[in-house]
Amino acid sequence: QKEVEQDPGPLSVPEGAIVSLNCTYSNSAFQYFMWYRQYSRKGPELLMYTYSSGNKEDGRFTAQVDKSSKYISLFIRDSQPSDSATYLCAFFTGGFKTIFGAGTRLFVKA
Amino acid sequence: DAGVTQSPTHLIKTRGQQVTLRCSPISGHKSVSWYQQVLGQGPQFIFQYYEKEERGRGNFPDRFSARQFPNYSSELNVNALLLGDSALYLCASSLASGAVNEKLFFGSGTQLSVL
Repeated sequence: QKEVEQDPGPLSVPEGAIVSLNCTYSNSAFQYFMWYRQYSRKGPELLMYTYSSGNKEDGRFTAQVDKSSKYISLFIRDSQPSDSATYLCAFFTGGFKTIFGAGTRLFVKA
Repeated sequence: DAGVTQSPTHLIKTRGQQVTLRCSPISGHKSVSWYQQVLGQGPQFIFQYYEKEERGRGNFPDRFSARQFPNYSSELNVNALLLGDSALYLCASSLASGAVNEKLFFGSGTQLSVL
């Protein structure tokens, strides 16, 4: 079983749709849960960061963590063409490395 | 303020050659991490350096080495290049190492192609 599972997509939605991106994980030692956004030919950019179960909202983005199910989600409301990117879930145990999912490619059509 | 800068942006090498990639962290950041991202995959951890010392190493062969300088900039060296080393090499800086390390700030990467 992989430590992190993330559907690579691609996911194509119309502008204005609600997008749901998900990851499952198997390592109970993960303490911090993150979502990074990566545009083509760029490095990943931290989008959301949380360390507890529940929801965290930031503008059009909501991160959800369910530690009991080892499942995290990112919701994007009112999606825009500028949201078209690869979204990487990421996990940190408090040591020295961050573990990334494979990324989900998202296309938002105008 | 300048973000994380990496050089060069693109590089083409042949098998067996050696390569050096460079990274300058965000001002005030003392930790530099290197990640390898193969097309279609998420970044894989290679090294973390903090205060010029190696704090962690990923599952990469000894052909990969790195160092950090007194100004906190860093170099990643890869010897005896293989075709499989073709990837985007990302440098990330963070304030420190350990509990606050999880917020990484990435550069745009060096795209290495090995022919």
